[in-house]
Amino acid sequence: DTEVTQTPKHLVMGMTNKKSLKCEQHMGHRAMYWYKQKAKKPPELMFVYSYEKLSINESVPSRFSPECPNSSLLNLHLHALQPEDSALYLCASSQDGWNYLGETQYFGPGTRLLVL
Amino acid sequence: GQQLNQSPQSMFIQEGEDVSMNCTSSSIFNTWLWYKQDPGEGPVLLIALYKAGELTSNGRLTAQFGITRKDSFLNISASIPSDVGIYFCAGQPRDNYGQNFVFGPGTRLSVLP
Repeated sequence: DTEVTQTPKHLVMGMTNKKSLKCEQHMGHRAMYWYKQKAKKPPELMFVYSYEKLSINESVPSRFSPECPNSSLLNLHLHALQPEDSALYLCASSQDGWNYLGETQYFGPGTRLLVL
Repeated sequence: GQQLNQSPQSMFIQEGEDVSMNCTSSSIFNTWLWYKQDPGEGPVLLIALYKAGELTSNGRLTAQFGITRKDSFLNISASIPSDVGIYFCAGQPRDNYGQNFVFGPGTRLSVLP
């Protein structure tokens, strides 16, 4: 099973709302990722969790707050977003991210976010 | 740097034709991954490559890890309408083999009936 699940599939929120995106994988992977993707562009890395600890934060604004409750779950808490934050938010996972011989990264279906 | 280039940027082909696209870098990569993405969906992994010279097939898809470790190719044989989408290459650079997967800009494929 190489499935990564994400909820919700679609989300519309106002700039004053607080919402959360959820991601889950049951492949025993220890690295989990959040990406942001704009139309016709490749995914842009936001955060990486490795062994439940935040290991990479690509200078993401504080209105995005990641959380990794356990090795299977990854959340992205959203607060006071801007219209330009509207995008497809993708979760991914890989074995542990540090395998010199090669990692394989699996993506979830994404959450399409619209900020009004 | 560790950027990836993909060519062509886009292509229009007739159903039944073969397709070839590539991904290049100025630096050495340890891993090459090829994904297909449909609109509004997440990228789906097609093929993963881990060794220089490796040639791997997945149905009508074939991909190769370049011998120089600076490029990779994806071929699709006998294209069908459902092959339409954006194809991304991604990889792990040798000199930064950690958790940063580098993505190419994508090749947009259109298949004409």
